[in-house]
Amino acid sequence: DGGITQSPKYLFRKEGQNVTLSCEQNLNHDAMYWYRQDPGQGLRLIYYSQIVNDFQKGDIAEGYSVSREKKESFPLTVTSAQKNPTAFYLCASGTGTEYPYEQYFGPGTRLTVT
Amino acid sequence: AQKVTQAQTEISVVEKEDVTLDCVYETRDTTYYLFWYKQPPSGELVFLIRRNSFDEQNEISGRYSWNFQKSTSSFNFTITASQVVDSAVYFCALSEDPGNTPLVFGKGTRLSVIA
Repeated sequence: DGGITQSPKYLFRKEGQNVTLSCEQNLNHDAMYWYRQDPGQGLRLIYYSQIVNDFQKGDIAEGYSVSREKKESFPLTVTSAQKNPTAFYLCASGTGTEYPYEQYFGPGTRLTVT
Repeated sequence: AQKVTQAQTEISVVEKEDVTLDCVYETRDTTYYLFWYKQPPSGELVFLIRRNSFDEQNEISGRYSWNFQKSTSSFNFTITASQVVDSAVYFCALSEDPGNTPLVFGKGTRLSVIA
C-alpha cells in the first residue's frame, strides 16, 4: 500500500541529546514537509523540501535540521539547541504539479524530552 | 502573508445537534486551495475536503457540508446530527499550491459530542 510511514510512534529522550525522526514515503512525491503540533497551536511548518538535495526553512526551523538525499526519505533531527522539543511531529508529502494537488500526512511521532 | 483563523477553540454539543465550525482566511493570491482535516485522538490527520478558489459551490457529503464564501473569506464546516464519533480536533488550512508548498493551518477547533 502506498503511504507515509513515521517511526517510532512514541519517542523519549533525555535533554541534551539529539534525536532523529524518520519519515518515508512510497508515493513518488517530490515534495515533503515537517510540521510540529503543540496543544492549542495548530500545525506549524519546520522544514520542507520540493526536490532531492534541496530544502527550505519554515516558520520554526531553529533547533532542527533535515536532509533529503533520497526522494523517499526526509528525516528530521531535533538538536539539543531546540528549547522546547516535546511535541507531536507530523510528516507529509505533496503531489507536486499533479492532481489532486494536496498533501498526505503520516501518522506522526510524539516526542517527549525530559 | 496567508493566515487562517478558527475563532472557536472548543465546542461542546449534545449528540444529534447540528454544529458549525468557522474558518476565516486571508490571502492575496487569486488562486488558492482550502482544506478541512479531522484529527481524532490517535493523532493522525484525516483529509475531509479540498476546495479551490474558483469553485464556490457548497458541498455536501453525508452529514458533512461546507459553505465557501469568497466575499467574506470564509469556509465553514457543518456537521448535521452530530455523533460521538465526530469528537475530534478539526483544522482548516490554506495553500496557494498545496502539492508544492506548505499548508497554513488554523489553530483548530476541538469538538466534543456528548451522548
